[in-house]
Amino acid sequence: QSALTQPASVSGSPGQSITISCSGTSSDIGAYDYVSWYQQHPGKAPKLIIYDVSKRPSGVSDRFSGSKSGNTASLTISGLQPEDEADYYCNSYTISGSHWVFGGGTKLTVL
Amino acid sequence: EVQLVESGGGLVQPGGSLRLSCIASGFTFSAYWMSWVRQAPGKGLEWVANIKADGSEKYYVDSVEGRFTISRDNAKNSLYLQMNSLRVDDTAVYYCASHQGRKFDFWGQGTLVTVSS
Repeated sequence: QSALTQPASVSGSPGQSITISCSGTSSDIGAYDYVSWYQQHPGKAPKLIIYDVSKRPSGVSDRFSGSKSGNTASLTISGLQPEDEADYYCNSYTISGSHWVFGGGTKLTVL
Repeated sequence: EVQLVESGGGLVQPGGSLRLSCIASGFTFSAYWMSWVRQAPGKGLEWVANIKADGSEKYYVDSVEGRFTISRDNAKNSLYLQMNSLRVDDTAVYYCASHQGRKFDFWGQGTLVTVSS
């Protein structure tokens, strides 16, 4: 049950696009299309922003998009806004019997 | 409006026990899997345990297997986490979260558990 691998930090200027990668294995990301992404502002609970690799919950901006290739998932945020500055976590269902694994988290700084 | 409200956190000595509770409202609690997820201070999220809608299946991360027990009372719309033999590295904010599908849809505000002598 090793954590998924994310870059510790990424940054971008307002209006730009950034992509956060999430690397796993054939036992998690590669096994199912059950990758989700969460946004967490300081002192707040995480919020679901992408599920089933690329689906957005109602109310989440279409500036957020997700994709997957093999054992790696990605979150892209386009048209960066100051309020996007937060921590982002990927998550995947695993083949280990209804277990879940999170990535280590990526701190997004909007310059 | 979906609401998940955790309680029961606090300061406990190593080796001690604590029981967390999570009360749900705004959705059909008895129809969904539920999880506990924790976050150590300044660290990332870690899935801890989950339980099937009817309570018949329970799963745990290896590090808490045998020490923690997840349970639920659907009549009270409540989720619980009994934590025994607590260790310093169990110190974290504990969140309850609902699973409406293969995702953590809604989260509570969290309750802080501090294990220290």
